[in-house]
Amino acid sequence: DQQVKQNSPSLSVQEGRISILNCDYTNSMFDYFLWYKKYPAEGPTFLISISSIKDKNEDGRFTVFLNKSAKHLSLHIVPSQPGDSAVYFCAASGGVNTGTASKLTFGTGTRLQVTL
Amino acid sequence: KAGVTQTPRYLIKTRGQQVTLSCSPISGHRSVSWYQQTPGQGLQFLFEYFSETQRNKGNFPGRFSGRQFSNSRSEMNVSTLELGDSALYLCASKDARGYNEQFFGPGTRLTVL
Repeated sequence: DQQVKQNSPSLSVQEGRISILNCDYTNSMFDYFLWYKKYPAEGPTFLISISSIKDKNEDGRFTVFLNKSAKHLSLHIVPSQPGDSAVYFCAASGGVNTGTASKLTFGTGTRLQVTL
Repeated sequence: KAGVTQTPRYLIKTRGQQVTLSCSPISGHRSVSWYQQTPGQGLQFLFEYFSETQRNKGNFPGRFSGRQFSNSRSEMNVSTLELGDSALYLCASKDARGYNEQFFGPGTRLTVL
């Protein structure tokens, strides 16, 4: 039962263009969503997050959009840089008041390659 | 601030043995969670400790256990190792003030032969 899905295992984007990574979830109890970037043999690095009361959050080149009715979120990276090449995971959790805020459910990841 | 540290970074064990992994959270973080990453199952939540108590638990057998000390450092233990326990074990810490962002350590790569 994959509650968080990233249907694109890989994505290739040219340097300077926009990268759009997508994520779908099925559990309506999820209240908080996060994106992580991961290199092989390293721990995930936190990028950006969004709570369910918002539909957009921006941090520098990274913007996350949340569509609650569609149970869909996306990460936009603009402009894409070669150093962005990594595996990106979306994750979801319950709200802080549910006691499950620390229980992250991860998607399967999308490998982003930014080419010159 | 120093990040999350995990020791050892690499470990090789044989089936039937037990193993203990250690995690030191970011200073001031009282919540520590453990995750397992495998090629087949991806990143899966094992358990969370907060103030020396297990607060959340994932769907793993009882061979997987953990504990947290008064200084928030945490250990996880896997007994009677199986080949399928070979994985990257990740520890993450979180500020207890309510923010959901977890910060991960570099992981311990466990290989069971």
